[in-house]
Amino acid sequence: DQQVKQNSPSLSVQEGRISILNCDYTNSMFDYFLWYKKYPAEGPTFLISISSIKDKNEDGRFTVFLNKSAKHLSLHIVPSQPGDSAVYFCAASESSGGGNKLTFGTGTQLKVEL
Amino acid sequence: EAQVTQNPRYLITVTGKKLTVTCSQNMNHEYMSWYRQDPGLGLRQIYYSMNVEVTDKGDVPEGYKVSRKEKRNFPLILESPSPNQTSLYFCASSPYQAGQPQHFGDGTRLSIL
Repeated sequence: DQQVKQNSPSLSVQEGRISILNCDYTNSMFDYFLWYKKYPAEGPTFLISISSIKDKNEDGRFTVFLNKSAKHLSLHIVPSQPGDSAVYFCAASESSGGGNKLTFGTGTQLKVEL
Repeated sequence: EAQVTQNPRYLITVTGKKLTVTCSQNMNHEYMSWYRQDPGLGLRQIYYSMNVEVTDKGDVPEGYKVSRKEKRNFPLILESPSPNQTSLYFCASSPYQAGQPQHFGDGTRLSIL
């Protein structure tokens, strides 16, 4: 049972435009959500996170929006740059379980074209 | 430099030959975890450890063992590897608290023939 879902395996965007990556979850106990970026032959690197008490978090060109009622979050990248081309993973964590287990989505391959 | 180091980066081996993938972190993190990444399945947790001598199963633990004798090291052991364990493996570490970003190693690509 996939508790975190990224329904778009790939996304292609022109340089300078907005990239919107989406993520849905089913477990209402999740209270932290994170986005990771992964380049080939490297490990995932942390990008941005949001806790369930917020609905928006911004860091430079990256903004994450959380809609708890819809169990949906999205990552906006504005403006998109060719270096943003990577696989993006959404992940979720619940504090009630103890520790820091992350449940990941299946990833979205973003391609930013010139 | 804060880092998680995995070795080896690549390994091709045969069914049944025991192997160990090492993982070491220099950030004094309590929490460490192993994941495998397979096409269309994302990253799935194999085992995790909340501190020294405290380990537990993740979502896909069958065929794997781990140990945490020291805080910095968290090796992944395949006692009798099988072809279905061919995958890309990642070790990660973080502070104990939920929501803390996990730091990942660069991955180990295992091929079991």
